[in-house]
Amino acid sequence: ILNVEQSPQSLHVQEGDSTNFTCSFPSSNFYALHWYRWETAKSPEALFVMTLNGDEKKKGRISATLNTKEGYSYLYIKGSQPEDSATYLCAFLTWNQFYFGTGTSLTVIP
Amino acid sequence: EAQVTQNPRYLITVTGKKLTVTCSQNMNHEYMSWYRQDPGLGLRQIYYSMNVEVTDKGDVPEGYKVSRKEKRNFPLILESPSPNQTSLYFCASSPYSGTGGNEQFFGPGTRLTVL
Repeated sequence: ILNVEQSPQSLHVQEGDSTNFTCSFPSSNFYALHWYRWETAKSPEALFVMTLNGDEKKKGRISATLNTKEGYSYLYIKGSQPEDSATYLCAFLTWNQFYFGTGTSLTVIP
Repeated sequence: EAQVTQNPRYLITVTGKKLTVTCSQNMNHEYMSWYRQDPGLGLRQIYYSMNVEVTDKGDVPEGYKVSRKEKRNFPLILESPSPNQTSLYFCASSPYSGTGGNEQFFGPGTRLTVL
């Protein structure tokens, strides 16, 4: 069984704060690293798909970086807003199979 | 509207009574997958399919069957459900090309309770 770890498990921040989470994954047999945003009572939605070492992706106030050699990815949220409250999942893709972390639950306090 | 649909959305059943959860996508995606979500364990892949008539086991395939007779449909079959299969199930699809560069689109989820 392959291990994908996310930290922290949960996070409470004030509106306007910037924050970041970590996803750790195996550094071998890497195909891709996906980030998903999962709001309560909804389905996960893709944020980023990263395939190359050194990849940096950005969507509005959210960005992500990837280091495949050491096996980690960071997700950054700048100026958190209450609507950013959700669970953020990372998924490691290897040999056509996805392995998800348990997620980071973010609560943004107005 | 591009979407992944699952039915039923909620199901309560009893041990041993065969059931099927349907999944359908209208985006002509090659890759389809089933996941289960359990508290503290994250999403775990049950089965996946790279294309019609091509299916493979994921991390937790025991007690489940799938089929991919048409590109759009990927049903999940529980031949003899047991209480440890009580979970939230998601179907997902992706235009996966083999390089991993394509996002997955998730269905709305099916909450299954086996008594």
